[in-house]
Amino acid sequence: DTGVSQNPRHKITKRGQNVTFRCDPISEHNRLYWYRQTLGQGPEFLTYFQNEAQLEKSRLLSDRFSAERPKGSFSTLEIQRTEQGDSAMYLCASSLSSGGATDTQYFGPGTRLTVL
Amino acid sequence: DAKTTQPNSMESNEEEPVHLPCNHSTISGTDYIHWYRQLPSQGPEYVIHGLTSNVNNRMASLAIAEDRKSSTLILHRATLRDAAVYYCILRDVYAGGTSYGKLTFGQGTILTVHP
Repeated sequence: DTGVSQNPRHKITKRGQNVTFRCDPISEHNRLYWYRQTLGQGPEFLTYFQNEAQLEKSRLLSDRFSAERPKGSFSTLEIQRTEQGDSAMYLCASSLSSGGATDTQYFGPGTRLTVL
Repeated sequence: DAKTTQPNSMESNEEEPVHLPCNHSTISGTDYIHWYRQLPSQGPEYVIHGLTSNVNNRMASLAIAEDRKSSTLILHRATLRDAAVYYCILRDVYAGGTSYGKLTFGQGTILTVHP
């Protein structure tokens, strides 16, 4: 097992275009998280899946953002009609948990999005 | 999640111990104290967590004040590889429903290690 992987690692797009990022969690991890990080700030929570169910979404996740986790395996995060303010590092994390707040989240290397 | 306060930056010399403080005066009885760190150009990585008692693992030690309003992450012998942003995070085990899943990061402490 090589940990959480994310693709692509870098994405440059023009304003108004749609982009999709993929996250492959550690196998058998039932929880998957998406975070966004801008320069000089800590990561901000976007959304969270328990298996295939999306259980929580941040207010940061506007209607231009959508995330899926079909069959409880990999996840995709799509941003429609990108804006320059969407430029950030998008981080994915996974964990194995049966409940509670002690599960360890394992983060991927992130996808850096630049919107021109 | 309760708020934490950390110094913006700290410096250390290689091979010396480092004590990274975190204040969390509004911590509740069900909040766990977690520490993550983020090396340059990488995603965050787990360091350690605790509830009431001091904790040790291969990476670090966590010292928790008796009133739990502050904690200190201790790196016993800093190496150049320990240069990172260190985040102190509170996670409420009883946040209700599924809210306890997320991590709420602050700005963290930038640790610089000098050779």
